[in-house]
Amino acid sequence: DAGVIQSPRHEVTEMGQEVTLRCKPISGHNSLFWYRQTMMRGLELLIYFNNNVPIDDSGMPEDRFSAKMPNASFSTLKIQPSEPRDSAVYFCASSFLAGGATNYGYTFGSGTRLTVV
Amino acid sequence: SQQGEEDPQALSIQEGENATMNCSYKTSINNLQWYRQNSGRGLVHLILIRSNEREKHSGRLRVTLDTSKKSSSLLITASRAADTASYFCATAGAGSYQLTFGKGTKLSVIP
Repeated sequence: DAGVIQSPRHEVTEMGQEVTLRCKPISGHNSLFWYRQTMMRGLELLIYFNNNVPIDDSGMPEDRFSAKMPNASFSTLKIQPSEPRDSAVYFCASSFLAGGATNYGYTFGSGTRLTVV
Repeated sequence: SQQGEEDPQALSIQEGENATMNCSYKTSINNLQWYRQNSGRGLVHLILIRSNEREKHSGRLRVTLDTSKKSSSLLITASRAADTASYFCATAGAGSYQLTFGKGTKLSVIP
């Protein structure tokens, strides 16, 4: 398995533009997570999907952020419009959750470093 | 919000020495996990210890868990330059999907 695949690795965009981050989880994993990492706030959970259904999006900072998981092998995180304070590294992770509980480790992608200028 | 808090924030040791990192948390857990993050990379899962376990080994890694003190430690023996990375603890609450990460310990191993 190639692991969790994220694209792009780096994204530089101007304020106000739409940004779409992509993730392919590990086949067989039933849960997908989007995290954001900054020096100030560390790792923050943005949204959690289980069996392609969004279960908890309370970490999504604003309505400018949206996420979808149309099938078990693909998810997107969209920011529209983007702002400089959105600059961060965005990670996608997948795992297998039984009964909705975390009993196994997560597999993380290599992340997308987003810079909004 | 971060539940796990790692200590120290940064640690610098010579190659061959042992490195110990600590993690404290606030609420009851189902399991605690340790991850490594190399610069510019994603997090890599190292080891998971369940709430009913006290110690676990994996290669040069030794993890302990003291649920009465709500704390865990990660020991890396005979460190190598390649162990240079940030190390994070993460806690999973009972019946919870959520894995909550601390802010990490930055380990530097000097050749």
